[in-house]
Amino acid sequence: EIVLTQSPGTLSLSPGERVTLSCRASQSVTTTSTSLAWYQQLPGQAPRLLMFGASVRAPGIPDRFRGSGSGTDFTLTITRLEPEDFAVYYCQQYGSSPYTFGQGTKLEMK
Amino acid sequence: QVQLVKSGGDLVKPGGSLRLSCEASGFTFSDNYMSWIRQAPGKGLEWLAYISPSSSYTDYADSVKGRFTISRDNTRNSLYLQMNSLRGDDTAVYYCARGGGGSYYGFDHWGQGTQVTVSS
Repeated sequence: EIVLTQSPGTLSLSPGERVTLSCRASQSVTTTSTSLAWYQQLPGQAPRLLMFGASVRAPGIPDRFRGSGSGTDFTLTITRLEPEDFAVYYCQQYGSSPYTFGQGTKLEMK
Repeated sequence: QVQLVKSGGDLVKPGGSLRLSCEASGFTFSDNYMSWIRQAPGKGLEWLAYISPSSSYTDYADSVKGRFTISRDNTRNSLYLQMNSLRGDDTAVYYCARGGGGSYYGFDHWGQGTQVTVSS
């Protein structure tokens, strides 16, 4: 099983700031493609896909969200935080069963 | 647009059974892998199972293997999760999602979630 470790656990930031979230995998999630996704979950809502293939934005996702990485190290950057971005973010690998999620990073408004 | 509408959540006693349903619309259901994912109270996300478009392939997380069964009815655009031998640690919000089976796009659409509570 591939274990995903996200850091930090919680971040307190202000709107307008730039933030980078980290996701590290216990083994590579890159084979012929990189099977790494990022999701955003607002309180009481279902997760929403932000990025797939590590760096491809899902339809409708603003370009302030940027994903990068390969192999075992991945990042999600939000270049300028908007009030609606304060949520929990999860990374997930979907290339190797069981498909596993990181434990999440919570973005709090300062 | 893509919609996944869930039903079947409930309060059930330990050892009991429950069947969740998820009706899809807005896309060609029969062309897509589908999965179930859950989230225990205050916890993260746990993938449970996927099923291939023709039901030929299924796969399960170890935590539910042998107790839960994923199935689908493409004529009804519906996905199901039969849950048997339920335990307290199965208490969670259950989501259906499009994806699984190595889909390039991850899980790109999710249902709204249904609460399952296992308690005596």
